[in-house]
Amino acid sequence: SQELEQSPQSLIVQEGKNLTINCTSSKTLYGLYWYKQKYGEGLIFLMMLQKGGEEKSHEKITAKLDEKKQQSSLHITASQPSHAGIYLCGASSDRGSTLGRLYFGRGTQLTVWP
Amino acid sequence: DGGITQSPKYLFRKEGQNVTLSCEQNLNHDAMYWYRQDPGQGLRLIYYSQIVNDFQKGDIAEGYSVSREKKESFPLTVTSAQKNPTAFYLCASSTRTSGRTEQFFGPGTRLTVL
Repeated sequence: SQELEQSPQSLIVQEGKNLTINCTSSKTLYGLYWYKQKYGEGLIFLMMLQKGGEEKSHEKITAKLDEKKQQSSLHITASQPSHAGIYLCGASSDRGSTLGRLYFGRGTQLTVWP
Repeated sequence: DGGITQSPKYLFRKEGQNVTLSCEQNLNHDAMYWYRQDPGQGLRLIYYSQIVNDFQKGDIAEGYSVSREKKESFPLTVTSAQKNPTAFYLCASSTRTSGRTEQFFGPGTRLTVL
């Protein structure tokens, strides 16, 4: 099985500050997914990375997959209260040849105070 | 609008009773999944189905059962054999698009066993 370690477990930042969340895998990542979750709700897809060195951005959120494809980072620039929630990384179990399962990290709880 | 619906949002049951959680999708996705989420635990896979009339156990299938008689529906039954059923349950679906297998999530059902 694949294990994903997320750090930090929780993060409290002041509005306007930058922050980074990390996701480290025990195995090579064939597909790395970032999701956001508000408490008591479903997961919202943010971004997906496949290639080593790949970087994607959406609004003020940037995700990167390192060259060795075993670690990903999610960076938020100038955080806002709307960024608050739980961020989870998920990884494909295979090279994507089947509609297989995803393995998830335990999540990072982000609080942004005004 | 296409999406995944889960019902009900909140469910209360007495200990020893079986309960079925509903999951319906109109995205025409082939694969469907059930996850359980507990505080600080991330998402754990219960069962998944890649095609109608077929499904596989995930990491914590004991005490749960599923069926996949229709492409659109993947109900989960929490049986009395599940020792600690109180949790937040999430249903997801996915399909292959340009090699990606991102999963789309429903809003979740919070089950409380009294």
